[in-house]
This record gives sequence, structure tokens and C-alpha cells, in this order.
Amino acid sequence: QITLKESGPTLVKPTQTLTLTCTFSGFSLSASGVGVAWIRQPPGKALEWLAFIYWDDDKRYSPSLKSRLTITKDTSKNQVVLTMANMDPVDTATYYCAHSLLGMFGELSEFDYWGQGTLVTVSS
Amino acid sequence: QSALTQPPSASGSPGQSVTISCTGTSSDVGGYNYVSWYQQHPGKAPKLMIYEVTKRPSGVPDRFSGSKSGNTASLTVSGLQAEDEADYYCCSYGGSNNLGVFGTGTKVTVL
Repeated sequence: QITLKESGPTLVKPTQTLTLTCTFSGFSLSASGVGVAWIRQPPGKALEWLAFIYWDDDKRYSPSLKSRLTITKDTSKNQVVLTMANMDPVDTATYYCAHSLLGMFGELSEFDYWGQGTLVTVSS
Repeated sequence: QSALTQPPSASGSPGQSVTISCTGTSSDVGGYNYVSWYQQHPGKAPKLMIYEVTKRPSGVPDRFSGSKSGNTASLTVSGLQAEDEADYYCCSYGGSNNLGVFGTGTKVTVL
């Protein structure tokens, strides 16, 4: 059974760096064809893909946020960490991590398992 | 990086069908058969309903079906039930530097 859970601060100040941890079980992030994504959702708004880390440590970022994001993994701890620099009130959102399987040529196929999400508020 | 376009709302009576469209471009929806659909109830995490355009994960009722024509994908919910009332989001692979492009979301109301 695959489970994921996000953890991190609920409140950050503008200009600070946000660090979120996704702790998962039920799969190995060293297995070929597997990846973990971070996705966010501002209150009342749509989902937005942020970052993705592949089993082989390759990484991809949303083009619009690439300069602010870093995604890493610790396979031994079954954790994926996302950092987002220079936080702004518009970054207030629920942040989700999700398990993903990849297509034959590395295409992101779907997000089949999601964490419960963690609400991060950016305010001074 | 533009979001895929979905109608803001859709509705139907119990037992009826509702179809939600998801319009992108040849760089995402039209270029790959990696369109997925997610159902989200208030305060809950999204749930995968359709993947690879037409496939249903185990446990998803066969009332949910997906299709694609050109740059537009669609989700159809047949035999609407009260529990189908939720927000629905599409998502498409958009190439190696834009892995997941989500739609704007559609609120489905069961009348």
C-alpha cells in the first residue's frame, strides 16, 4: 500500500525559504520508472505542478518557478524534500506530494497516489 | 506555460450524463496520450479517475470514461450520482520540461 505524507511549517514570512518534506512508504524511489512530484493549490484555485524527481535523480521544474525551486530525495529515508525560495503571499497554498509512474520514454503518465496535503500560509 | 482550459461548471440530474472538456495545444494534450483526470471533494486530496486518456484505475466505477480528439480531451460521467459532485481537473504531459500541465478545473453539480 502506497502512502505519502507532507510535513513542514504552516506559516512562513515573506522572503523566507520554505522547506517541505514528503515521507512515503509502499514503494522505492530507486525503482526504475518511478517518481515523486510536488503540486500546489491556492485556496479556491486550480492545481499547479511544481517539481518532479525521477528514480535516477533526474529533476524537472515548472518553467515559471524554476529559479525558486529545488527538489531532492533521500532514498534511505524514503523522503523527498522541496525548497522554495523567496516566498510571497501569493504562494499561500496547500502543497501536495504525489507518486507517479512514467511512460515508456520517461513521460509523466499520472499522479496515482497523493498525500493529504499541507496548507502553507505566507504572511508577515 | 498555460493551463489547460476547462469549463468552470457543469451540471446534471441524477442518472444523467455530463461531459467535461479539456482543451490544450499540440504541445500537450494533442501531442501525447498522457491525459489524466482527477476528482477532488472539498477539503480532500485529488483522486485519480482516468489515466492515459481512457484507462480507469482499479476501483473507479465504469461510469467514468475518457476520450481525446485533437487538442481536446473529455471526461464523461454517466449515470450521475450524488457523490460525483466535486471539482474535476485534467492534466497532460507537456514535454520533458513541462511535465504536468493542469486544467483550470470544473465544478460538477448534481441537481
